[in-house]
This record gives sequence, structure tokens and C-alpha cells, in this order.
Amino acid sequence: DAGITQSPRHKVTETGTPVTLRCHQTENHRYMYWYRQDPGHGLRLIHYSYGVKDTDKGEVSDGYSVSRSKTEDFLLTLESATSSQTSVYFCAISRDRVTEQYFGPGTRLTVT
Amino acid sequence: EDKVVQSPLSLVVHEGDTVTLNCSYEVTNFRSLLWYKQEKKAPTFLFMLTSSGIEKKSGRLSSILDKKELFSILNITATQTGDSAVYLCAVEAARIQGAQKLVFGQGTRLTINP
Repeated sequence: DAGITQSPRHKVTETGTPVTLRCHQTENHRYMYWYRQDPGHGLRLIHYSYGVKDTDKGEVSDGYSVSRSKTEDFLLTLESATSSQTSVYFCAISRDRVTEQYFGPGTRLTVT
Repeated sequence: EDKVVQSPLSLVVHEGDTVTLNCSYEVTNFRSLLWYKQEKKAPTFLFMLTSSGIEKKSGRLSSILDKKELFSILNITATQTGDSAVYLCAVEAARIQGAQKLVFGQGTRLTINP
């Protein structure tokens, strides 16, 4: 298994509070991704990174920001959580432009 | 808008049966198609397909891509209860600075009954 961890694994928070999810890899892979998974929608890309301090938006980026200050860490922040952001969040990594993505264990976030 | 559609959405079969899962796509700039298996946790990689007509095989699983008709199939022969999972199809629809932008289908939930 690729060395990817996510923290926390479960979180319950209230509407309006900030939340940060962490993805940590030990593979030294260049590319990192954040997805959310909701019933009926499959996995959707939120943000991705192609290097330290290099990030860009995916298809569902509104309400989310990211940061990557080290190769191994990619943080996803919900500045002010809303109930529509209740979801399972997956981090993924890939080594280069032609290899598959490997997924972390996921974080289940509930916004009440 | 790039789109990936999987069918059926749900399938229940008996152990030992053979199943075929379908994935069709409409993307502007196709690069590759990937299959993943998801049990109650993270998706795990099965296959990556880039060329038409070349079958990829791993044990009882195989997959093939048709870039002319814009679809792929995933076959599982002699199914076992451990094959029960959601099977996800994804298409690499763009590559930005080398990062792959994947578009996923909704998944097919496969249940194998003993």
C-alpha cells in the first residue's frame, strides 16, 4: 500500500467553524489531490497540487482552500463549514504524469 | 462538460457467475481510463488503459478499451464473495502541469451472493 495517511479519520463540526484536513505521504510523490465522495456523484476533484506551493482548483473548489508547504503534506481547509460539505474526503497521490493515483483511507466529515 | 457514465449502477449475482461492468465516456481530451475497486474504504487501483483493443488482465479480472466507441468494460469471471465492492471508472480528461484531472463515474455496486 502506498504510504498515505489522513487525519482526522472522523470529524463532527458545527456550521460556520473552520476545519482543516491533513494528508501526509511518505512516498515523495510530486502530485497530490483532494476529492470528495458523495452518494450519486462518485468522486469529485476539489483541488490538486503539482509541487510545493503549486496548487490549482478542481471541479468543486468553492468553499475550500489548500496549502502545500512540504512535499509530504497537503492540507485542505474549509474556511466556514456548511452542511453541504458533509462528505467523505479522500486524498490521492501520483508519482508522475503517466502513473495511476493511489488513495488514502479517507476522512468522514459531518457538519451539523 | 466531461462525463463518465457507468452501468449498471447495481448488480447482484451468484458466486461463480461472470459479470461485465460498463463505462462510457464523453471527454474533450481523453488520455487514459482507469478502473478502481472500492470496498468499505479507499479505492484501490485495478487497471489503466490507454490504447484500444489491448486487454489488460489480472487473475479473474480483465478490461478492454474502445476509443472509437468511447467505452470500456471490466469483466470478472468465476466471481467470489470477495469481489463484492463498488467498481469505479475514471477518465483522465486533462493534464495540468503533469497533474491528472480525473472524472469519475458514479460507480457500479456489485454484490456476490454465496
